[in-house]
Amino acid sequence: DAGITQSPRHKVTETGTPVTLRCHQTENHRYMYWYRQDPGHGLRLIHYSYGVKDTDKGEVSDGYSVSRSKTEDFLLTLESATSSQTSVYFCAVAGGGSYEQYFGPGTRLTVT
Amino acid sequence: DAKTTQPPSMDCAEGRAANLPCNHSTISGNEYVYWYRQIHSQGPQYIIHGLKNNETNEMASLIITEDRKSSTLILPHATLRDTAVYYCIVTYDKLIFGTGTRLQVFP
Repeated sequence: DAGITQSPRHKVTETGTPVTLRCHQTENHRYMYWYRQDPGHGLRLIHYSYGVKDTDKGEVSDGYSVSRSKTEDFLLTLESATSSQTSVYFCAVAGGGSYEQYFGPGTRLTVT
Repeated sequence: DAKTTQPPSMDCAEGRAANLPCNHSTISGNEYVYWYRQIHSQGPQYIIHGLKNNETNEMASLIITEDRKSSTLILPHATLRDTAVYYCIVTYDKLIFGTGTRLQVFP
């Protein structure tokens, strides 16, 4: 599992509240990613990081922000959750030079 | 937009080889072919990747046609645990997942 944990694993929150999801890795991978997966869709990239304090947007970044202050942690924040952000969120890590990514177990977020 | 075309579903008998096709007719010279799979509700799992040559690892083999416009992932002896959605991805940059092929292995 490449030493990846995600927390929380499940969360129910109300519309308008802030939510932060955490991805933690133990193997010092340079690259970290946040994806969301919705029924009928493949995974879609939200944001990614290529190093501490170096982040960039993916294809569905609106409404999300990220931070990476340490190599091992990549945080995804929903500043004001909406029902459209109900989804399963996956974190992934990768070393340099390839797209051999290793995924975490996922966080199921429900926004009511 | 995904650059690949995969059949939505396939069946395979346990113990037989599963051959999963992928068309990527617009592939560029610097793009790799990656295969991932996702077993129900788990995070995707990397399987194999290649550029031009055929590749084999402990999980599978990847056969890429000479013109690189299509490829086939081969699971040589499918088991029930290989039941999953298989994603073929062509990229030189980020992974873009399509809807994949749902492989059902039956006893």
